Amino acid sequence: EAQVTQNPRYLITVTGKKLTVTCSQNMNHEYMSWYRQDPGLGLRQIYYSMNVEVTDKGDVPEGYKVSRKEKRNFPLILESPSPNQTSLYFCASSFHQGPYEQYFGPGTRLTVT
Amino acid sequence: AQTVTQSQPEMSVQEAETVTLSCTYDTSESDYYLFWYKQPPSRQMILVIRQEAYKQQNATENRFSVNFQKAAKSFSLKISDSQLGDAAMYFCAYRRGSGNTPLVFGKGTRLSVIA
Repeated sequence: EAQVTQNPRYLITVTGKKLTVTCSQNMNHEYMSWYRQDPGLGLRQIYYSMNVEVTDKGDVPEGYKVSRKEKRNFPLILESPSPNQTSLYFCASSFHQGPYEQYFGPGTRLTVT
Repeated sequence: AQTVTQSQPEMSVQEAETVTLSCTYDTSESDYYLFWYKQPPSRQMILVIRQEAYKQQNATENRFSVNFQKAAKSFSLKISDSQLGDAAMYFCAYRRGSGNTPLVFGKGTRLSVIA
């Protein structure tokens, strides 16, 4: 089954404790992206990757890191989480550009206390 | 920068009736794509319908159709014969046709379906 998986689905952590949210897709997509969703703000892009070893900042990259060492994986790293990073996070992937549908993972609900 | 505006934070519709969700966008590009995504309580993002800007014909997917007015930069979603399962948050999204192409989302419209 074609899908994007994210782990964990739920995470409660404390300020400053490093964490990683994993994202994996099995559709051989070149393009992968992380979004955060906050009430009243819709979804905003954090980082994206056009292909292996190619990553770039989206609209709200502060406090996040990513890496793309393999085509299928695109982890999101929070080196020192803060309460303002409490949010719902989505990983998405698609073929390179244009009309191709972005497939979304199930979301990760992160709470930083 | 491109922006997407959904002016209706909440809407409701009677079951079996028709409802239209509004979306406007701002871009100077000529090559782009527009999407409507549905987010039910499960939080999964589900593509409902897409429209290529170069196509004049409005896209249709079963009970879902769009009214794409390119000159007015308007992209509304019409849901016919509304069903209880249509209750969800609906997001309008824009994607440029070339280069880095993130989805730019509106803030969403929460649709309630009344039995």
